[in-house]
Amino acid sequence: NAGVTQTPKFQVLKTGQSMTLQCAQDMNHEYMSWYRQDPGMGLRLIHYSVGAGITDQGEVPNGYNVSRSTTEDFPLRLLSAAPSQTSVYFCASSKKTGGTDTQYFGPGTRLTVL
Amino acid sequence: RKEVEQDPGPFNVPEGATVAFNCTYSNSASQSFFWYRQDCRKEPKLLMSVYSSGNEDGRFTAQLNRASQYISLLIRDSKLSDSATYLCVVNTGQAGTALIFGKGTTLSVSS
Repeated sequence: NAGVTQTPKFQVLKTGQSMTLQCAQDMNHEYMSWYRQDPGMGLRLIHYSVGAGITDQGEVPNGYNVSRSTTEDFPLRLLSAAPSQTSVYFCASSKKTGGTDTQYFGPGTRLTVL
Repeated sequence: RKEVEQDPGPFNVPEGATVAFNCTYSNSASQSFFWYRQDCRKEPKLLMSVYSSGNEDGRFTAQLNRASQYISLLIRDSKLSDSATYLCVVNTGQAGTALIFGKGTTLSVSS
């Protein structure tokens, strides 16, 4: 199993550009989520999904969209990038909803917005 | 009060030392507790779950005190490879948004 994969690993955007961060898992996990991690801050939940076709907002959803058309994929879209979105983005999955099971994280995407 | 608080450190210790990290959480309804490890510029990985009775995994011992809303991690006989950031994670039990991460405690083990 590849586990949780994320692409790209690094990305530089200009303010106002849009892009999609890709996340896929091959463990047949129901629960998937996106976090951002900033210096001096804990991981903060952006959006999550408890299954295909179901998504919901986390703690910091503004400026991001998600969709979950398949169990495997959970892309994160930045609609109009802003410097405040410069961060490291982690996708995670787990078998069960709500973190009662181990969360498996992808390697992260390091995004810089100029 | 922040939901999960940790001393950020850094903790600088020599090889072979014993070091303890503490964590407090604010939501008394929290249901489960974890320690994750994060190496520099890498993703977090589960180190161990924390049970009320306390649990041990090799050189690592985790303790939970529900009355004081306090979690600890003890590392014995520190190795160079233990150098990392240790994240205290609490499951509040609210579906979907359950996991709350502390900011982490940085450990540096030197020879």
